[in-house]
Amino acid sequence: NAGVMQNPRHLVRRRGQEARLRCSPMKGHSHVYWYRQLPEEGLKFMVYLQKENIIDESGMPKERFSAEFPKEGPSILRIQQVVRGDSAAYFCASSTGTGIYEQYFGPGTRLTVT
Amino acid sequence: KQEVTQIPAALSVPEGENLVLNCSFTDSAIYNLQWFRQDPGKGLTSLLLIQSSQREQTSGRLNASLDKSSGRSTLYIAASQPGDSATYLCAVKDNAGKSTFGDGTTLTVKP
Repeated sequence: NAGVMQNPRHLVRRRGQEARLRCSPMKGHSHVYWYRQLPEEGLKFMVYLQKENIIDESGMPKERFSAEFPKEGPSILRIQQVVRGDSAAYFCASSTGTGIYEQYFGPGTRLTVT
Repeated sequence: KQEVTQIPAALSVPEGENLVLNCSFTDSAIYNLQWFRQDPGKGLTSLLLIQSSQREQTSGRLNASLDKSSGRSTLYIAASQPGDSATYLCAVKDNAGKSTFGDGTTLTVKP
């Protein structure tokens, strides 16, 4: 059973471009979480999705950021019109459910905005 | 709103020492607490997961304890080795499934 997969692992974008980050959960997992880690900081929750539904997006910036988890295919975190402050590592995690179920983390996507 | 604090922010010890990393959280309504290791520029490696009903978990030289009522957890590392050098993150999970992380303790074990 492959682990959580994220791609690309590294992404460089110029200011104003769009960034698309993909997360494929572990097989059988229908819950996906996205976290952002700024340099020298811990991970901060962004959004929680189940298949075709956004459950909690309280940690997501109101503008330029969106997330989806379609019925088929990976979860996508999209950042429009990137700015230098978006440079960070973005991690996704998946689980079989909420509560006691363990989250399994992917290797992260490191976004650099030039 | 849950807040997680890790003390100290950085720790440097000679090889062979036993050490304790601390994690405190403000809201005791958690489902579990997890300790992770993160190497520079890398992802997270799960070390230990403690469910809210448990008091401790052990894996090799690592032992994690949980006192939910006081909002505290400790990670004990026995006989530290240079390969243990990394940042250690503590995360508490709420009933909605999302995790709140501390900012980590960066450990350096000197040979």
